[in-house]
Amino acid sequence: DIQMTQSPSTLSASVGDRVTITCRASQSISRWLAWYQQKPGKAPKLLIYKASSLESGVPSRFSGSGSGTEFTLTISSLQPDDFATYYCQQYNIYGFTFGPGTKVDIK
Amino acid sequence: QVQLVESGGGVVQPGGSLRLSCAASGFTFSSYGMHWVRQAPGKGLEWVAFIRYDENNKYYADSVKGRFTISRDNSKNTLYLQMNSLRAEDTAVYYCAKVRTPSGTYPEYFQHWGQGTLVTVSS
Repeated sequence: DIQMTQSPSTLSASVGDRVTITCRASQSISRWLAWYQQKPGKAPKLLIYKASSLESGVPSRFSGSGSGTEFTLTISSLQPDDFATYYCQQYNIYGFTFGPGTKVDIK
Repeated sequence: QVQLVESGGGVVQPGGSLRLSCAASGFTFSSYGMHWVRQAPGKGLEWVAFIRYDENNKYYADSVKGRFTISRDNSKNTLYLQMNSLRAEDTAVYYCAKVRTPSGTYPEYFQHWGQGTLVTVSS
């Protein structure tokens, strides 16, 4: 199985901050990586697919980059609605795996 | 618009069985692969199972292989997860999710999600 790690596990930030979350895969997954946002009691929401493609309707302050084993999710200017937990997920092979999540909370 | 509504969750004793359903609407269900994903209380996301649009391929997480069965009824626009030999560690919210690409034959991410149904395995 491909293992996914994320850092940091928790991130405290203020509105307007630039935020970067890192996701690493235990082996190369090319660009087969997605990012999701989840708020408490809600289903996850797709933000980014194929490492850097923005899902329709997602604000342009969200961006993704990377390939191979290292990826980043960046929020260019954190908004109040962005305080949530973020998960990366590989879909290079069946046996999909998620990272453990990064919680973004208010500083 | 795409709507996925899970049902069938509840409390079950260890060793028991439960069948979850996911009613789909707003898209041509028979053309899309579907997943089940779960989340234990306070924990992260775990992929459970996938079924191709035409049922020709099914895949399972090692943690549920041999105990869970994914199926679909394209005439009823419904996805199922039959869960047998349930364990305490199967306690979670179970989500169904739809892929983006119709008639896809390769792994793909989860574009749309249902609201989830809670399964609690406890004596």
